[in-house]
Amino acid sequence: QQQVKQSPQSLIVQKGGISIINCAYENTAFDYFPWYQQFPGKGPALLIAIRPDVSEKKEGRFTISFNKSAKQFSLHIMDSQPGDSATYFCAASLTDSWGKLQFGAGTQVVVTP
Amino acid sequence: DTGVSQDPRHKITKRGQNVTFRCDPISEHNRLYWYRQTLGQGPEFLTYFQNEAQLEKSRLLSDRFSAERPKGSFSTLEIQRTEQGDSAMYLCASSPDRGRHSPLHFGNGTRLTVT
Repeated sequence: QQQVKQSPQSLIVQKGGISIINCAYENTAFDYFPWYQQFPGKGPALLIAIRPDVSEKKEGRFTISFNKSAKQFSLHIMDSQPGDSATYFCAASLTDSWGKLQFGAGTQVVVTP
Repeated sequence: DTGVSQDPRHKITKRGQNVTFRCDPISEHNRLYWYRQTLGQGPEFLTYFQNEAQLEKSRLLSDRFSAERPKGSFSTLEIQRTEQGDSAMYLCASSPDRGRHSPLHFGNGTRLTVT
């Protein structure tokens, strides 16, 4: 049973465009929501994370929007660049087991020149 | 390079053989995690250590799997009597224990292919 559902499975965006990836979760006890970026042949790397007490967090071109009542959160990549082409995973965890991340299935993002 | 190191990067083995993977975490990170990632999926938690103590194991970790972290430094993950369904990327991650939600630092994984 997948506790974090991610969509879309893949997306293609032109350079300079906005990439939007959505995630939904079931367990209301989750209190940490990170996004990881993974390039082929590499391990996932933390991109940005949010706690449920804030509705938005921005770091450079990456923004997380969080909707606690809808149990949804999303990643927006502004001004997408070819170097952003990667697979992105949303995840969630509980306070008492914060290293035990429940990952979504991933979104493969391709940014065309 | 002071990141998480995993060895080997690739392992091809025949069904029924035993394999062992090694992970060297970032020094002074006392938490170490093992995850498994199959093609087209996100990583799945297998087990984690705080120092040398194995504190949690997923039900994904069958009796054929065993992990150790002697002296709280490097860790090994052994799979006995491998099956084709064990083919996956095995990822190791480490984190400091500086309170809730210290970020996990992943290695580049060991890709296992069972023929």
